Amino acid sequence: SQTIHQWPATLVQPVGSPLSLECTVEGTSNPNLYWYRQAAGRGLQLLFYSVGIGQISSEVPQNLSASRPQDRQFILSSKKLLLSDSGFYLCAWGSGRALNEQFFGPGTRLTVL
Amino acid sequence: AQSVTQPDIHITVSEGASLELRCNYSYGATPYLFWYVQSPGQGLQLLLKYFSGDTLVQGIKGFEAEFKRSQSSFNLRKPSVHWSDAAEYFCAVGAVNYGQNFVFGPGTRLSVLP
Repeated sequence: SQTIHQWPATLVQPVGSPLSLECTVEGTSNPNLYWYRQAAGRGLQLLFYSVGIGQISSEVPQNLSASRPQDRQFILSSKKLLLSDSGFYLCAWGSGRALNEQFFGPGTRLTVL
Repeated sequence: AQSVTQPDIHITVSEGASLELRCNYSYGATPYLFWYVQSPGQGLQLLLKYFSGDTLVQGIKGFEAEFKRSQSSFNLRKPSVHWSDAAEYFCAVGAVNYGQNFVFGPGTRLSVLP
């Protein structure tokens, strides 16, 4: 069966520091991968999605970036964090076929101080 | 462009009472509709989905949802709520020509009174 991992589970970082969040998927190949952010009391905002290695699409301009160095690895990064980057970050994968649901990881709680 | 609204930010019901969470969407063609549930500090779990066919779909944990094209709605229902149903509920819309990208509603937080 497929599983999706995210780490770290929680992170507290100072403003201006770099960020690296990692997401890996097991049990499937060539998945579509997604990064979402969920701010407190708000819905999910799609940040990035990837349909293959090295292929990244950004949904909103921001100081975050994403990379997909391997088929089942998706990384969210920042060179300098802002206070507004605080939130709950969720990684998800989909089969790449239309009509199928997305499966979510457990999330990373990021607090920028 | 697709959009999803969930008019109720927060709903409180008593345990054993019935529940209906509202979801309205905006999309030019037949959408693909999903309901997810999120427990505090956790990821999202799929409750049910609608692609085509019978407009009343059954999901996990005793939930069901009904697609009403005329009202652009996909409301989630449960006949008898359990305390463990307290969580955040998200409606999402997908479309074939949008790949597998979804648009999520803002969510409805459900509280359950004993």
